[in-house]
Amino acid sequence: DQQVKQNSPSLSVQEGRISILNCDYTNSMFDYFLWYKKYPAEGPTFLISISSIKDKNEDGRFTVFLNKSAKHLSLHIVPSQPGDSAVYFCAASEKETSGSRLTFGEGTQLTVNP
Amino acid sequence: SAVISQKPSRDICQRGTSLTIQCQVDSQVTMMFWYRQQPGQSLTLIATANQGSEATYESGFVIDKFPISRPNLTFSTLTVSNMSPEDSSIYLCSVEGGQGPKGSAFFGQGTRLTVV
Repeated sequence: DQQVKQNSPSLSVQEGRISILNCDYTNSMFDYFLWYKKYPAEGPTFLISISSIKDKNEDGRFTVFLNKSAKHLSLHIVPSQPGDSAVYFCAASEKETSGSRLTFGEGTQLTVNP
Repeated sequence: SAVISQKPSRDICQRGTSLTIQCQVDSQVTMMFWYRQQPGQSLTLIATANQGSEATYESGFVIDKFPISRPNLTFSTLTVSNMSPEDSSIYLCSVEGGQGPKGSAFFGQGTRLTVV
């Protein structure tokens, strides 16, 4: 039972354009959502997060949107840069859950072409 | 941010043997987490390791297969026991984000395990 799904295994965009990565979830108990970036041979690194009480959070070139009714979130990167090429994981945590017990999606490989 | 070191970074092991993965953190943390990423799949939480108590395992993971030690607040080990090719994965440890946003976590670089 995949509670967090990223249906696009890969995405390719041109440098300077917008990258949009999508994520869907099924567990209504999730109250916090995160995006992680992973380069080969490295562990995931935290990118940006959003609480379920918000519908948007922005940090520089990165914006995460949350649509609770649709159980959908997306990560927008604009403008995209070649250094953004990595695997992006969507993750979620439940209410009443302490620490960083996370449920991850399968990941989307983003390639930004110069 | 926490700095996490995992050893080994990769290994090739014979089926039926066991491998112990070490995770060292540069600061004291209450909880450490062990994840597995099978080829082409998402990261899956194996267990949560608290110092001074038994690890808490997620559904589908058992202590006999994945024994965990947590002797102090900066160190943990995960053993993959009686390995089979299906255990070939990347194993990652992580810790809470501390001063970071709720739910954020820091990850080690991972241990790439291949079982032949």
